Amino acid sequence: AQSVTQPDIHITVSEGASLELRCNYSYGATPYLFWYVQSPGQGLQLLLKYFSGDTLVQGIKGFEAEFKRSQSSFNLRKPSVHWSDAAEYFCAVGSYNQGGKLIFGQGTELSVKP
Amino acid sequence: GAVVSQHPSWVICKSGTSVKIECRSLDFQATTMFWYRQFPKQSLMLMATSNEGSKATYEQGVEKDKFLINHASLTLSTLTVTSAHPEDSSFYICSARGRLAGGISSYNEQFFGPGTRLTVL
Repeated sequence: AQSVTQPDIHITVSEGASLELRCNYSYGATPYLFWYVQSPGQGLQLLLKYFSGDTLVQGIKGFEAEFKRSQSSFNLRKPSVHWSDAAEYFCAVGSYNQGGKLIFGQGTELSVKP
Repeated sequence: GAVVSQHPSWVICKSGTSVKIECRSLDFQATTMFWYRQFPKQSLMLMATSNEGSKATYEQGVEKDKFLINHASLTLSTLTVTSAHPEDSSFYICSARGRLAGGISSYNEQFFGPGTRLTVL
């Protein structure tokens, strides 16, 4: 069955520290992947996306992610976290034979310590 | 470009009443719209997929008679929660994909609305 796993439910990092949020997927077909951020009571904001090509993807707000097919992973990274990055982060995966449907991971809540 | 709006942003209703939520694509033609439900501290769960002019396709476990979806035009889809009960209280998010400006197709990317908070008393 197709699935997306974000192993970390909650992560706390200090402001200025680096960040890595994990995302692993299980898909039968070639996937395309997204990372979204959601602040409380708000909708989703797209951080970055991967369809094909260069496996290191740059996004907004200084985020990047690397698609590793051999590890079925699409981890999100940021070299220096800002207090405003505190939010919920969702990884989502789709495939070209699924009619555009996305499967979302459970989410990782990021807290930032001053 | 690719902006999706939802109305209302929040609604409170009494148990047993029906509530309609609108999802609009403001600057592109939404050939497909998706409806999600998100409970507190949980992820987004796809409820249904609707293609313009066709009946919606519901995910397993979602009652199609309770959650009525209409996608009558390329810019508007509506979700009606019929006979709402407190357990229907949730955050409802729509998304859309379709033909962007310049004829570009966003087949694989969905554009999300800001969500509607439904509280059923």
